[in-house]
Formats: sequence, C-alpha cells, structure tokens
Amino acid sequence: SQKIEQNSEALNIQEGKTATLTCNYTNYSPAYLQWYRQDPGRGPVFLLLIRENEKEKRKERLKVTFDTTLKQSLFHITASQPADSATYLCALDTFGTYKYIFGTGTRLKVLA
Amino acid sequence: DVKVTQSSRYLVKRTGEKVFLECVQDMDHENMFWYRQDPGLGLRLIYFSYDVKMKEKGDIPEGYSVSREKKERFSLILESASTNQTSMYLCASSLSGVRNTIYFGEGSWLTVV
Repeated sequence: SQKIEQNSEALNIQEGKTATLTCNYTNYSPAYLQWYRQDPGRGPVFLLLIRENEKEKRKERLKVTFDTTLKQSLFHITASQPADSATYLCALDTFGTYKYIFGTGTRLKVLA
Repeated sequence: DVKVTQSSRYLVKRTGEKVFLECVQDMDHENMFWYRQDPGLGLRLIYFSYDVKMKEKGDIPEGYSVSREKKERFSLILESASTNQTSMYLCASSLSGVRNTIYFGEGSWLTVV
C-alpha cells in the first residue's frame, strides 16, 4: 500500500541553523509533492509545491528537493528562527485523482 | 486571500447524536475535502467532492456522509456519533487539477461522550 514516512520524533535545532526535514515514500510515483506548515490547534498552511521533473524549489528561506529515484523529499529552512517552530507535513498526489495523501508530520522546535 | 470557514470550532456531543459539521469557502473552488486528524495517524481523507452534488469516498468514510448542495458549502454528517469519532476535523478546498494548493479551515474539535 502507499506509504509516506516523516520522522515522528521532534527535531530540535538552534536558532540560525538550517533545519532539514525528510519525507520518504514507498510503492508510489507522485507527480507532485507539497509541503505544509501546521501550528498547534490550527489547520495546515501551504508552503511549497514541487513537480517530479523539478529537482529543487526555493521560496525565501525555504528549499525543497525531490528525488524520485530515492523516493524522497527534503525540506530545508535556512537561518531558522523560533517562529519557524511548528509541525511540517508533506503531501503526495495520487496520480489521476485529486486526492493527496499526507504524512504524519515532523515537529520542529527552534531554540533561541 | 482564500478563506475556508468551519462553522464550529469546538463541539461536545453525546453518543448516538446526529452531528453536522459545516464548511464554506469563498474562492469558487471546485474541490472540497473533509479530513480528520488524529495523533500518530496524520490527516486521513473522509470524503471528497469535485462538484455540486458529486462526492467520492476517501480512505475512512464509514460512519460519515456528506452533502454538497451549493458550490461553496460542504457538510460532513455523523449519522450516529460514536466515541471513536472524537477527533479534529478539517475542511479544505482547492481548484480543480492535481497541482493546486489545498486550503484548509481552522478545524473543528469534536468530542463525543
């Protein structure tokens, strides 16, 4: 069955460092992959979308990579700030439908 | 900005009650979704609608039904609430097409006692 894995353990890093979050998937070949941010008690908010033929996408301090050979996406936040503390979710499209499958998310805590 | 509004932020219902969760979006999106989110299980799709009166089952439709009589409104119905339906429910919408951003509401916390 389709499976998405995100590190369920929280990631703690020092302010100013680069945070790297991982999204691995199996039994699947998505055409699109999205990353979302979710704050406690709130709905997810879209951050970035990357297509299968794009290796990398950037938006301000955010960078996403998409390696279809490794079946992995990496999400980077450079010069991290305490305000970046949140849970980050990856989501993959199910080809031919409009349904996205979401990972369980990784909680990031940036320490001041 | 796209706004997805869920009518109730917090609800407490009794086992066996019929529960309605309402969702409205203001950007004329074709697609609307209902997810539930539980710790360790992530977001799971309950139902999806791609047009008025059209719906598709998601991964966990049992115990739920939906209604989409108008394009901007998508309702989730728990016909007979049970304690295992205690969860956070998230409504979302998007334009048609796979590559489009999904916009979420703030969520409805439902407790069934």
